[in-house]
Formats: sequence, structure tokens, C-alpha cells
Amino acid sequence: DVKVTQSSRYLVKRTGEKVFLECVQDMDHENMFWYRQDPGLGLRLIYFSYDVKMKEKGDIPEGYSVSREKKERFSLILESASTNQTSMYLCASMSQNAATQYFGPGTRLLVL
Amino acid sequence: RKEVEQDPGPFNVPEGATVAFNCTYSNSASQSFFWYRQDCRKEPKLLMSVYSSGNEDGRFTAQLNRASQYISLLIRDSKLSDSATYLCVVTYSGTYKYIFGTGTRLKVLA
Repeated sequence: DVKVTQSSRYLVKRTGEKVFLECVQDMDHENMFWYRQDPGLGLRLIYFSYDVKMKEKGDIPEGYSVSREKKERFSLILESASTNQTSMYLCASMSQNAATQYFGPGTRLLVL
Repeated sequence: RKEVEQDPGPFNVPEGATVAFNCTYSNSASQSFFWYRQDCRKEPKLLMSVYSSGNEDGRFTAQLNRASQYISLLIRDSKLSDSATYLCVVTYSGTYKYIFGTGTRLKVLA
């Protein structure tokens, strides 16, 4: 079974803090994704990566950056957290040869 | 208009009922289609892919209508455990990008 893990299930941060969300997958997948999910808006793609050190902006990259130094790990960084970044953050991974994305359990981030 | 649209529901149905959801998509270049299930406060999990000829997995049947640009999910003999949000996903050829609908919430009542 594919396993995607995220570093925290719940996180509370203050406005202006730098926030790191980490995602690790154990299936040697080339592609990894970061989404946020908000009520009424569904899942929206923030960034994705198709290889180590490669990244592409998704639909809502503003206020976020990412890092992929190793194939199994994809980090999402909020340089200066703001209250409108309070959300559920979901990481996913996908093989190059398939079309199915597998999701981690999510991180609920609250920015005060 | 959203690229992928779903009725948010909730659909409240009694146990044993048959229920169907539709999902419409706006881009005719859409290539692959999926239904994901998401339980409250959990991550989405793949329920089934949707093939052009339609496909069935136990009590679940998925259909694709390219001419009218919609996919459907039919659940027969609903169980309490089917209560969840069902997300429609559309992808395009040559891209890794998933386009999600906002989900349809199903409540199966005892």
C-alpha cells in the first residue's frame, strides 16, 4: 500500500511566523503535490513537483514556497503566515506511470 | 463557470436506497475521470476510476457521458458506512493536474 505521511495533524501558529509542513511518501513516486482545502472551495493546488529539485506553481502559489531536495520528501513553506492561510493542507503523490493520486492524512493549520 | 461542478447536497437517503450523483465538467479535452471518497476530517481516497464504457465495483457504478460532459456515480443498497463526501476529479492529457469538484455530501440514515 502507498503510504503518504505528513509531519503534523494539527498546527497552531501566529501571524508572521514561518511554517514548515513536511510530506513523505514511501513508494518512490516522481510526482508530489500540495493542496489546501477550504469549505465551499474544494481542493486547490498550491504547488507540485515532478522530480527532485523541480517545482511548478499550481493555482494558488502566492504566499507559499516549496522544497524537494529528496525524492520522497516535499515540503511546503509559509514564509510569513497570515490568518487567511488557516486551512486544511493535503499532500499527495503519484507515480509517473499512473494517474491516481494518493493523499496524506492532512494538516489542519490555524493561524492566529 | 467552474471547470468541475457538483451538487453539494446533502443527499439524505435511508439505508438500502439507491442514490446517484452527477458531476459536470466544462473542458471537452478532459482525459481521465475519478471518484474519490472523503470522510469527515480525513483525506480523500480513491473510490474508482471512470472508464468510457462505464464500470462497476460491487454496489458502485460509474458512468461517463462525453457528449454531455458529465460523469455519474450510482450507489445501490446504501449502507450507513457510505456516508461521506464524494469528490469528482477530472484530469487532462499530458498533465499531472487534478481538477476537483467541491464534493457531494451523502448521509445514509438508519
